[in-house]
Amino acid sequence: AQKITQTQPGMFVQEKEAVTLDCTYDTSDPSYGLFWYKQPSSGEMIFLIYQGSYDQQNATEGRYSLNFQKARKSANLVISASQLGDSAMYFCAMSAVQGAQKLVFGQGTRLTINP
Amino acid sequence: NAGVTQTPKFRVLKTGQSMTLLCAQDMNHEYMYWYRQDPGMGLRLIHYSVGEGTTAKGEVPDGYNVSRLKKQNFLLGLESAAPSQTSVYFCASSSMPGPDYNEQFFGPGTRLTVL
Repeated sequence: AQKITQTQPGMFVQEKEAVTLDCTYDTSDPSYGLFWYKQPSSGEMIFLIYQGSYDQQNATEGRYSLNFQKARKSANLVISASQLGDSAMYFCAMSAVQGAQKLVFGQGTRLTINP
Repeated sequence: NAGVTQTPKFRVLKTGQSMTLLCAQDMNHEYMYWYRQDPGMGLRLIHYSVGEGTTAKGEVPDGYNVSRLKKQNFLLGLESAAPSQTSVYFCASSSMPGPDYNEQFFGPGTRLTVL
């Protein structure tokens, strides 16, 4: 079984600062994928970034990067130069690579960016 | 290109009533999924489908039934609604697994309240 743990219920950051959202995972699958989604107050799920367990380099997408430490089973999201629009719920998720992409989500972290 | 659409957006039911949530995608995706999101929690997989005419149970399938008679549609049914089924329901779709990850596209969600 797969499990995602996000230990930060809420984070408060000043605008333009960098922020790290923590995510640890547990799985017995040899290959897996790790995802981060953003959920603003409007409710939609917005895909941010993906990391495959077999990828040697950390994934980056614009201001988002994923700090993947396989031995520690962690997949932290780093947002550089935070903006007011980054205020939202952030979910870490994982799935097996083969077959249907059955996502398992963590409980989320509510990020608030202060001006 | 509408992506993933869900009908209805909001619904209030009384305990014991039945209803069907409709999900439609226009991306010719093979895989479709139904998740639920309870307050303060991440999404949990209810049922999923790997192709027309197929369905399978996810993490929390009890009290729900699904059907995939057409490739573009995935229906979620509640035969006898209970207050514990009050939640936001998200539909998602993705293409067949490839050499890289396949982004899962989410619908806007349906907010269901069972009194």
